[in-house]
Amino acid sequence: EVQLLESGGGLVKPGGSLRLSCAASGFTFNNYAMSWVRQAPGKGLEWVSSISVSGSRTYYSDSVKGRFTISRDNSKNTLYLQMDSLGAEDTAIYYCASDRENILTGYPGGLLDPWGQGTLVTVSS
Amino acid sequence: QSVLTQPPSASGTPGQRVTISCSGSSSDIGGNTVNWYQQVPGTAPKLLLYRNDQRPSGVPDRFSGSKSGASASLAISGLQSEDEADYYCSAWHDSLNGPVFGGGTKLTVL
Repeated sequence: EVQLLESGGGLVKPGGSLRLSCAASGFTFNNYAMSWVRQAPGKGLEWVSSISVSGSRTYYSDSVKGRFTISRDNSKNTLYLQMDSLGAEDTAIYYCASDRENILTGYPGGLLDPWGQGTLVTVSS
Repeated sequence: QSVLTQPPSASGTPGQRVTISCSGSSSDIGGNTVNWYQQVPGTAPKLLLYRNDQRPSGVPDRFSGSKSGASASLAISGLQSEDEADYYCSAWHDSLNGPVFGGGTKLTVL
């Protein structure tokens, strides 16, 4: 069964840091680009970051650029999101997703499937 | 404010056909394919349609999609109670180098 399992969420103070993980199973992780998408409470979906198969190319939304770092360890089938300088606006459920648009190139293209169940990040003092 | 524009709500009675629109620009929908996601409240989004009109295995053929220019639409025929969910359109944005989403449409089955 194809599965993505996020972990690492929790309560953090403004200005703090958190590292999210996403463990993949049931598919060949190093064949697919990966992405993080978040959803603030009661709001819609917002793309956060994507990474190519090799990890050589990374992409960020303007709202997190310079504060978040996406990475992956293909030997561990795991995707990461290092989040620094967190603010209240970063409070959200964070989902990881496999990107299946450009399988031949290994670059993200926005076809997200499947998604993990999400991990909640709350930034509050 | 979302890059893609969707109506915030839609509704229909069981058996009816409903459509949800999604409009963007030449930088997203106009130049790339559209994906639709279904999110039942309290659960993660699920891919519903991809590349404008393709259904993943397991998605009933009651769900269909189309695209014209910088707009797309999702149609659900033979509406069922289990279709009650939030629906999001999405497309790659050429200058943002990431996918953009609509604000979501909450579908209510009356």
